[in-house]
Order: sequence, then C-alpha cells, then structure tokens
Amino acid sequence: DIQMTQSPSSLSASVGDRVTITCRASQSISTYLNWYQQKPGKAPKLLIYAASSLQSGVPSRFSGSGSGTDFTLTISSLQPEDFATYYCQQSYSTLTWTFGQGTKVEIK
Amino acid sequence: QVQLQESGPGLVKPSETLSLTCTVSGGSISSYYWSWIRQPAGKGLEWIGRISSSGSTNYNPSLKSRVTMSVDTSKNQFSLKLSSVTAADTAVYYCARDNGSGWFLYWGQGTLVTVSS
Repeated sequence: DIQMTQSPSSLSASVGDRVTITCRASQSISTYLNWYQQKPGKAPKLLIYAASSLQSGVPSRFSGSGSGTDFTLTISSLQPEDFATYYCQQSYSTLTWTFGQGTKVEIK
Repeated sequence: QVQLQESGPGLVKPSETLSLTCTVSGGSISSYYWSWIRQPAGKGLEWIGRISSSGSTNYNPSLKSRVTMSVDTSKNQFSLKLSSVTAADTAVYYCARDNGSGWFLYWGQGTLVTVSS
C-alpha cells in the first residue's frame, strides 16, 4: 500500500494567516494527489485534484503544489469558514486509494 | 446536480453482514465509478472499494475478503456488503462518485453504522 503522511496533525492559526499543510507519499505518485476539506458532521469536499487543479467553485485562496512524493496545500489568507480538517488522498494506485490521517486547522 | 443518499440499518450485530445501498439522483449511474468510504468516529477516511457501472470492482486489500459490491443500473443504485463485522467496523459510511481518475467530487451525507449486540 502507498502510505500518506500529513504534517502537522493539527495547527492553530488566525484569520488572515497563510497556512501550509504538507502531505508525503511513501513512494512516487506523480501528481495523483487530491485534497479535501471536512467540517464536523459533513462529508468531505473536494478542493484540489491532480495536485494543483482547483475544483470549480473553490475559492482561489486555496492552492496545491508538488509532484512525486511531496505535496502542499496552501491557504493564502485563512478565513473563518476555513477552520476544518483537511485530508490528502492518493489516486495513483487503483489497487487501493489511501488518505492521509488529516490536519485539523483550529482557531488561534 | 448529482446527489447520493446512503440507506441501510444503523445497527448490526457482531459477526453479521452490514448492508448499505446508495441511491444516485440527478444523473445516471452509467459511465462512472462508485466508491464506498468509511470514517470511524474521530478518525480518518478509509477507502473500502469501488464498482463501475458495468460491475467491475476494486477492493481495498485489507477488507477484500469481507467486501462485496454490486450495482443496479435500472434503479440507479449500488450496494455494499461487509461480512463478519466487528466493533472495529463501526463508522460513518459514505458513498461517493469518482470520474475514473480517483478523485471524489460527489459524496453522500454519510450514514452511521454501529456494530453492537
């Protein structure tokens, strides 16, 4: 299995801060990396697909980058509605797709 | 707008089989792949497996021996069966659609399944 490791597991930030979340794959996955936002009691929401493509309707303050094994999700200016848990997911191997353990973004 | 809705028992006894159905509305089940994903309380997401509209399947190797998925295109539904459940299978179960490239744009709201006697 391809393991996905996110860091940090949680972070505290203020409105307006620039936030960066990292996701590392246990082997190269090219750009087969997707990012989701999940709020309590809700299904995850797709933010970024194929490492850097912004899903339609997602604010442009969200961006993704990386290839191979190292990826980042950046929120350029954190807004109140962005406090949530973020997950990366690899879609390189159809033998099994795997998610990172999540990064919880909390209010400072 | 495509919508997915999970349905099935919220309580299953240990050693029995968990059965869930996902009904797709606002679009056809054809030409896409349909996945089940679960999330234990307070934990991360685990992909269970997927089925195409033609019935081909891919299962998570860690669950493969207990998982069966099926699709009913006439009803725009697909289903999950997970056998020999234990308390470790207690989770919110989501159904989701991917376009074949492995990212999930459409999700159901999720349904909590508790395994307990």
